[in-house]
Amino acid sequence: GEDVEQSLFLSVREGDSSVINCTYTDSSSTYLYWYKQEPGAGLQLLTYIFSNMDMKQDQRLTVLLNKKDKHLSLRIADTQTGDSAIYFCAESGFNSNSGYALNFGKGTSLLVTP
Amino acid sequence: ETGVTQSPTHLIKTRGQQVTLRCSSQSGHNTVSWYQQALGQGPQFIFQYYREEENGRGNFPPRFSGLQFPNYSSELNVNALELDDSALYLCASSSGTGGRETQYFGPGTRLLVL
Repeated sequence: GEDVEQSLFLSVREGDSSVINCTYTDSSSTYLYWYKQEPGAGLQLLTYIFSNMDMKQDQRLTVLLNKKDKHLSLRIADTQTGDSAIYFCAESGFNSNSGYALNFGKGTSLLVTP
Repeated sequence: ETGVTQSPTHLIKTRGQQVTLRCSSQSGHNTVSWYQQALGQGPQFIFQYYREEENGRGNFPPRFSGLQFPNYSSELNVNALELDDSALYLCASSSGTGGRETQYFGPGTRLLVL
């Protein structure tokens, strides 16, 4: 399938902003998502952006999309220790074999230190 | 909490055995997707069911099969288990036409094959 790439690890201090980056290759992607996974848990939807938008803000979260460069970022303002988790970028677009399946990156492990 | 439930939470099987995992979708959702998440990896799409029919399939062999019931709950069956089938199996539900809408995940079933 098409590739979704993320950096594997990010460490920030509590109170700082975190920026997690993602690149994708499928130009037909219609929705792009950010999910959060805490240890031993399932995936929690954080936010998503439609491909015809370039920015979406939701409380402490800001998503930026550069469709030309196929680059997506998630900014977390005032990062807290409870934000420590793995963050997955995922894209979705129609594929004749897989329908509207989500295609995930390998995840970015965010560590927030006091 | 998404309202998506999965059972069992943990399971241990031996090579060659068969396993059935279950998922109840969120109220009002008619589409269920299944994903396999190996340790340290992002989830990989297995297949999707929409109104009791398979609506898309990823690169998994035929020994991975599924069902969706009239109440939109779903089962994932894996025959002839292999060691590499050890993973977290995630179910996601969504509404609308065959998964085009946002997918909400359950907590997962952790399968260990010995």
